[in-house]
Amino acid sequence: KNEVEQSPQNLTAQEGEFITINCSYSVGISALHWLQQHPGGGIVSLFMLSSGKKKHGRLIATINIQEKHSSLHITASHPRDSAVYICAVRFTDKLIFGTGTRLQVFP
Amino acid sequence: EPEVTQTPSHQVTQMGQEVILRCVPISNHLYFYWYRQILGQKVEFLVSFYNNEISEKSEIFDDQFSVERPDGSNFTLKIRSTKLEDSAMYFCASSVSVANTEAFFGQGTRLTVV
Repeated sequence: KNEVEQSPQNLTAQEGEFITINCSYSVGISALHWLQQHPGGGIVSLFMLSSGKKKHGRLIATINIQEKHSSLHITASHPRDSAVYICAVRFTDKLIFGTGTRLQVFP
Repeated sequence: EPEVTQTPSHQVTQMGQEVILRCVPISNHLYFYWYRQILGQKVEFLVSFYNNEISEKSEIFDDQFSVERPDGSNFTLKIRSTKLEDSAMYFCASSVSVANTEAFFGQGTRLTVV
């Protein structure tokens, strides 16, 4: 059975810190997604990766297909980055989600 | 910016009642999905839909569930006889294709079965 594991489960940081969230998965996939979920529940797509690295503003996502591992980095973190960050892998016709990393950034 | 729209945002229903959750996917998207998230748990796949038929479904998607695209714009999830354990946030998503394209999610419908 496919599994997606994220670490850490919870993360607290001071404003300005560099954040790293990790994701490992167990089988071959066609793409990996990083998503953000705010307390209201809505899910926003941040990145879709199938290789290499992508950057959007202060967010950077990398993926190593051989090692089945991806990281999401947030540079110069801000309290508005507080949310749950979810890694999801595309396998066949669906996304399989990790359990999420709850990030709280304090001023 | 185009978005996936879900209605209602919150639905409360009595156990045993039928509910229909509605979604309007992004207009040029061809693949449609329902996911659910029980409170405190991870998001789980329910069903994918393409070309007017189910392309994949999970073990959760039993005979109590059905999906339909009745009019070319709406995409609905019906639960025939709700159970307490159906209480969850239900997310609709759509994408242009399956592989290597971004999935766009609606804001979710919180279903509470009492």
